[in-house]
Amino acid sequence: GAGVSQSPRYKVAKRGQDVALRCDPISGHVSLFWYQQALGQGPEFLTYFQNEAQLDKSGLPSDRFFAERPEGSVSTLKIQRTQQEDSAVYLCASSQRVSGYEQYFGPGTRLTVT
Amino acid sequence: AQRVTQPEKLLSVFKGAPVELKCNYSYSGSPELFWYVQYSRQRLQLLLRHISRESIKGFTADLNKGETSFHLKKPFAQEEDSAMYYCALSPLSGSARQLTFGSGTQLTVLP
Repeated sequence: GAGVSQSPRYKVAKRGQDVALRCDPISGHVSLFWYQQALGQGPEFLTYFQNEAQLDKSGLPSDRFFAERPEGSVSTLKIQRTQQEDSAVYLCASSQRVSGYEQYFGPGTRLTVT
Repeated sequence: AQRVTQPEKLLSVFKGAPVELKCNYSYSGSPELFWYVQYSRQRLQLLLRHISRESIKGFTADLNKGETSFHLKKPFAQEEDSAMYYCALSPLSGSARQLTFGSGTQLTVLP
């Protein structure tokens, strides 16, 4: 079966532009996580959904970051007024467990803000 | 605060030599520890978790609570083991088991 997919795979944005990153989790997976991975670093937690409910957004670095999963499947991470420090790989992971145990990762979206 | 430290950014060994990738953690409570691997141009994938006490691709890792370490070991490295390795932890229970990752170790196995 298909794994977690993300689109676009690469995104170049001018500073100040808004971007939207999409995640298609594995079908039936209830938990969905977003992580941000800066160059040379490990992934860092951004936010967590259980079905359509965003239960934890403590990792979002600023109010310019917004995530949604309105129907409990596809999720979108939106970044408004992008800054250079937003340049990173954004990873999505899904799990069939409510707790998020056993996460499967997507290939990531590499965002470059110029 | 929880933290995972991988002191080596780069590690090179020769094929057939033993390899150990170090991981130390700090966490208030009992975490679950994982090793994730990312091969070139592939996505991040789970290698092993301490609860399973399993050996995957010849790799093992033992949780040492006294030293708060979870080092990854393999007695005879192979060229196909070359990859980026991340140590990670999550709460052992709870409603949201997000992962906290170390900064990774790039392993290169030389022929």
